[in-house]
Amino acid sequence: GAVVSQHPSWVICKSGTSVKIECRSLDFQATTMFWYRQFPKQSLMLMATSNEGSKATYEQGVEKDKFLINHASLTLSTLTVTSAHPEDSSFYICSAPSLYEQYFGPGTRLTVT
Amino acid sequence: GDSVTQMEGPVTLSEEAFLTINCTYTATGYPSLFWYVQYPGEGLQLLLKATKADDKGSNKGFEATYRKETTSFHLEKGSVQVSDSAVYFCALISGSRLTFGEGTQLTVNP
Repeated sequence: GAVVSQHPSWVICKSGTSVKIECRSLDFQATTMFWYRQFPKQSLMLMATSNEGSKATYEQGVEKDKFLINHASLTLSTLTVTSAHPEDSSFYICSAPSLYEQYFGPGTRLTVT
Repeated sequence: GDSVTQMEGPVTLSEEAFLTINCTYTATGYPSLFWYVQYPGEGLQLLLKATKADDKGSNKGFEATYRKETTSFHLEKGSVQVSDSAVYFCALISGSRLTFGEGTQLTVNP
């Protein structure tokens, strides 16, 4: 089946710095990718829909200026957490649709100290 | 809007016990339904799916039947193993947007 990768798988950053997370579709093209956030022992919360060549669509309550999304090519979307704070610590997961199925990346664990 | 409701967890079973995790949904139209599994520290993996009413999805001994009349998609397995310990998510798709249930933590003890 299709494969979606994420990089890095784990990152620690200091409060106030920015961190970029990459999501790649390895063997298929994706004009749309999705970014989720997962808190411990909770379900996935859709943050935004990343659209190749155009602006991302953010869910209600998600700060556009804090979570910058860029979908520069048909195989790459990036999520940049700007001016990170400890409350941004979470598990971030991306997904991309192929045919009638969603394929998920393995996730990125972000810890802000 | 669309929503998915799962039975509350956590669920703890002994090896070889029977498993049922209930899932009901609310949606317009006829969505496709999924069960995803998340092992500790990993992303989500598709476990099984059903795309229309009365379809049965199955994989690795797990089964779920798409019941339109009861808007349900309950997950079952006849004999669980320790390796089945994970979080299970029921989900539906409308367009290309997934809606997840809350997740059910399953722990299987030897």
